[in-house]
Amino acid sequence: DADVTQTPRNRITKTGKRIMLECSQTKGHDRMYWYRQDPGLGLRLIYYSFDVKDINKGEISDGYSVSRQAQAKFSLSLESAIPNQTALYFCATSDSRTGGVYGYTFGSGTRLTVV
Amino acid sequence: DQQVKQNSPSLSVQEGRISILNCDYTNSMFDYFLWYKKYPAEGPTFLISISSIKDKNEDGRFTVFLNKSAKHLSLHIVPSQPGDSAVYFCAASGAGAGSYQLTFGKGTKLSVIP
Repeated sequence: DADVTQTPRNRITKTGKRIMLECSQTKGHDRMYWYRQDPGLGLRLIYYSFDVKDINKGEISDGYSVSRQAQAKFSLSLESAIPNQTALYFCATSDSRTGGVYGYTFGSGTRLTVV
Repeated sequence: DQQVKQNSPSLSVQEGRISILNCDYTNSMFDYFLWYKKYPAEGPTFLISISSIKDKNEDGRFTVFLNKSAKHLSLHIVPSQPGDSAVYFCAASGAGAGSYQLTFGKGTKLSVIP
């Protein structure tokens, strides 16, 4: 089983719909992140959480919300999806003790299309 | 304001030759630098890292060089293989720059031609 699991892998949704992307991890890491990848723009940080009670906005948080339900679970919601939120979304985890050396562990991504 | 820059969006190299991917950074508080490799439809995977107290780190065919005075690092792949074709992301972190939170470059797409 993957260390960082994202569901769903692919999703097509309509403009205005609410959608949730889920992430769970078995790494035992305390920190979790949501990124989106767009062509030519690299990886941009949406939200991050350093522990269950800590949620922080990233570079592009507008239109998104998150919930850290447990240390192992971090979900991303689009309250009212719009077409420019069509992108590849990645969840990542890190260990605050070793993250400098080993960085993040990424999930396989969710390809979201908003029509 | 981009703190980590990869100025070459793409690079093509013949199989067996050396691939050199470059990365520049602006934040002097960064003290770890990492390279990630990403295949289509997969998440980025950790490749190699280097601490700011070193100027070189080697792992098999992959070597990362760090020039702190120039705020520049590079990833060398020797010899390049077709399986190395992927997008490579440079990333930087540091306790002083946000407690090991990574800042990524935009990536360089490497194509290794058989």
